[in-house]
Amino acid sequence: GNSVTQMEGPVTLSEEAFLTINCTYTATGYPSLFWYVQYPGEGLQLLLKATKADDKGSNKGFEATYRKETTSFHLEKGSVQVSDSAVYFCALTGSSNTGKLIFGQGTTLQVKP
Amino acid sequence: EPEVTQTPSHQVTQMGQEVILRCVPISNHLYFYWYRQILGQKVEFLVSFYNNEISEKSEIFDDQFSVERPDGSNFTLKIRSTKLEDSAMYFCASSWLAVTDTQYFGPGTRLTVL
Repeated sequence: GNSVTQMEGPVTLSEEAFLTINCTYTATGYPSLFWYVQYPGEGLQLLLKATKADDKGSNKGFEATYRKETTSFHLEKGSVQVSDSAVYFCALTGSSNTGKLIFGQGTTLQVKP
Repeated sequence: EPEVTQTPSHQVTQMGQEVILRCVPISNHLYFYWYRQILGQKVEFLVSFYNNEISEKSEIFDDQFSVERPDGSNFTLKIRSTKLEDSAMYFCASSWLAVTDTQYFGPGTRLTVL
């Protein structure tokens, strides 16, 4: 079945550093790919998505490109801020058409001033 | 901006008791979901619901679990006889379409089974 593997955390960066959080997936068919973010004490919020190969999702300075050849959807940001401190989840839709999301284990990002 | 709401935010119950977790999805959405996250683990899919019936459920979603959309606005998850291992954060989500559409998540209900 479909699955997602995310890099282990926590990731600790200084403000204005470059961020990469790796995400690779295994899937049958053509899943949609998502990055969700969870700020402390809150629910999951969509950060960005890509629905087909070579699509680039972007939002709030974050970007990720749907790479079918490497089955990856790495999250990047050029300059992180303290307010980006959160848990980031990579996810994809399952092989059914029900919208079921399969999540990676989450990566905690801590940005220090 | 419309949002998904969940009540209660925290529920404490004794093992063997029934609990009902409540969600109000975004009003024009058609697809509804429950997920759970055991502390320190990944978010896991429980069930999806469309057109007043379950469209998919996971292995976790056994006979102890049920879902209902009783009145066209609420979406509930019932656990008939709670176990210690049911302790988790439960998230409700909704979307307009399946597959490519954004799922909007509620803030979660933390269930503690003693």
